[in-house]
Amino acid sequence: GAVVSQHPSWVICKSGTSVKIECRSLDFQATTMFWYRQFPKQSLMLMATSNEGSKATYEQGVEKDKFLINHASLTLSTLTVTSAHPEDSSFYICSAASDLGYTQYFGPGTRLTVL
Amino acid sequence: EDKVVQSPLSLVVHEGDTVTLNCSYEVTNFRSLLWYKQEKKAPTFLFMLTSSGIEKKSGRLSSILDKKELFSILNITATQTGDSAIYLCAVPGTASKLTFGTGTRLQVTL
Repeated sequence: GAVVSQHPSWVICKSGTSVKIECRSLDFQATTMFWYRQFPKQSLMLMATSNEGSKATYEQGVEKDKFLINHASLTLSTLTVTSAHPEDSSFYICSAASDLGYTQYFGPGTRLTVL
Repeated sequence: EDKVVQSPLSLVVHEGDTVTLNCSYEVTNFRSLLWYKQEKKAPTFLFMLTSSGIEKKSGRLSSILDKKELFSILNITATQTGDSAIYLCAVPGTASKLTFGTGTRLQVTL
């Protein structure tokens, strides 16, 4: 299957700082990428849909000013967690949709710990 | 609203057993059905199914789709402890958003 990478894999930061997570589709172009978060032993929760060249679409209850998404190219989307707090500590996973959205490939995830 | 139901929720088998995982779905505009394996990290892609009756196979794993009865099965033969994971079934819907089933937690014991 196609390859999606995330960087960093793991980040620890202090409360109040901002953290940027990158998601790249390495061998295909993805007009649509998705950002999820997952708490331990829970299901994936969709946060937002990232569309290349346009504003992201956020799911209900997700603060767009706190979770900034930029999809600057067909292979790169970034999620910035602004003014992070301990409750933002989670596993953040991106996915990239293939042409026509028939399938999605997930990145390996980024574990964020906010102290 | 799109819906995906997986069964069983959880399964414990002995190494060497064969298991069958089930997924039924309701989706407005069907494009595909996807199977993923999730261990301690993000889901890894297993299969994409679009046509009825055509088995997809990868090693000891295989899957088939029935678009008339709206279900899919994932088979794992000669299970190994490394197959222990949560297996997720999903269908893309509006704006390519995935609707996931609850997953089947498979544990393979020695």
